[in-house]
Amino acid sequence: DAKTTQPPSMDCAEGRAANLPCNHSTISGNEYVYWYRQIHSQGPQYIIHGLKNNETNEMASLIITEDRKSSTLILPHATLRDTAVYYCIVSGMAYKYIFGTGTRLKVLA
Amino acid sequence: NAGVTQTPKFQVLKTGQSMTLQCAQDMNHEYMSWYRQDPGMGLRLIHYSVGAGITDQGEVPNGYNVSRSTTEDFPLRLLSAAPSQTSVYFCASRSPTGPSRYGYTFGSGTRLTVV
Repeated sequence: DAKTTQPPSMDCAEGRAANLPCNHSTISGNEYVYWYRQIHSQGPQYIIHGLKNNETNEMASLIITEDRKSSTLILPHATLRDTAVYYCIVSGMAYKYIFGTGTRLKVLA
Repeated sequence: NAGVTQTPKFQVLKTGQSMTLQCAQDMNHEYMSWYRQDPGMGLRLIHYSVGAGITDQGEVPNGYNVSRSTTEDFPLRLLSAAPSQTSVYFCASRSPTGPSRYGYTFGSGTRLTVV
């Protein structure tokens, strides 16, 4: 699986968009990009995934660059409840994920 | 549906003791995994299973055994507990098909302390 690089921490003002970057320059053609988040010490929660097209769901949007070497998770209107650690995972095996250390997002009131 | 249920939620073991962490899911998911999370760190994959009777090692399998005799259950056994195994353990499951096939469902974790 490709290795991912994320900034260790970010702040975002409440109500503003939170843009979380992820670098995955060694991604292979069959590998998906997945995003999860972990609020406090709960189990991680799936957010969104993509292969090469941009994706949007009720939680977030995922923007993948054309060369697929990086992606950005966008939370359009961050709330205090979005404060969490966000993990970017790249995997070609649906049954095996390798988590990195993630980005700790703090949403400020 | 209860989702993924992990028991116990908390456990204190003495060095050298053995125990089994239980994980059960009621969603008929074929894929199941065990992760550990040390303080301030990301999750590391211990073992995973793609179906009943099939298991494989993850990143940090040493000191742990798993079995998958049914689709629902995926217990994790600590053979001889060591202080280095103090961690939070998460179990997760997903289906390889259907609308939820891309997202793992995680349990709430077992907090294990080895003294």
